Amino acid sequence: AQSVTQLDSHVSVSEGTPVLLRCNYSSSYSPSLFWYVQHPNKGLQLLLKYTSAATLVKGINGFEAEFKKSETSFHLTKPSAHMSDAAEYFCVVSGGFKTIFGAGTRLFVKA
Amino acid sequence: DGGITQSPKYLFRKEGQNVTLSCEQNLNHDAMYWYRQDPGQGLRLIYYSQIVNDFQKGDIAEGYSVSREKKESFPLTVTSAQKNPTAFYLCASTASGNTIYFGEGSWLTVV
Repeated sequence: AQSVTQLDSHVSVSEGTPVLLRCNYSSSYSPSLFWYVQHPNKGLQLLLKYTSAATLVKGINGFEAEFKKSETSFHLTKPSAHMSDAAEYFCVVSGGFKTIFGAGTRLFVKA
Repeated sequence: DGGITQSPKYLFRKEGQNVTLSCEQNLNHDAMYWYRQDPGQGLRLIYYSQIVNDFQKGDIAEGYSVSREKKESFPLTVTSAQKNPTAFYLCASTASGNTIYFGEGSWLTVV
């Protein structure tokens, strides 16, 4: 069985400060893990993915995520938030043809 | 370029009408999915298909129907039995365990 839990429904940061969006997962397989971003009224864009290579994954727009098997976590981070980062972020776990979405975390960035 | 095309982007439905949302992919992916997104909520799985001529219900299949007559096409029909169809609909496709590709989405509004 697979599941994914995004631990925060909303995160608010000031521009220029670090971002941390938390994601825990469970999977019977060796999972593939993804982070997607959705800006208002838009489709989903892939930020980064983990597929059993390096545990620290770098994505677009300065985001990165670290796969920690012992903690079953795949948290998304960015050193310095920008106003354009304000969006909804989804953590996704995939194994076989089963793909599970987290409930999403809304990121607010204050000027 | 490979990708997923959803149409129409905006659709208005009258009470009692059936409407069909189109989803076409040229990525040669076996699996295709339909998700529904309501304001401020995550993605909920409506139907998915792993191979041609086969599909399974997701978490909220009532009031919807699909077909998978061709590998590249996975249309979704929102029937009159769906009592609250106003939402944003996303189509996706994936090869097993690999990156999920999304369409740009379709907005459906009941008038």
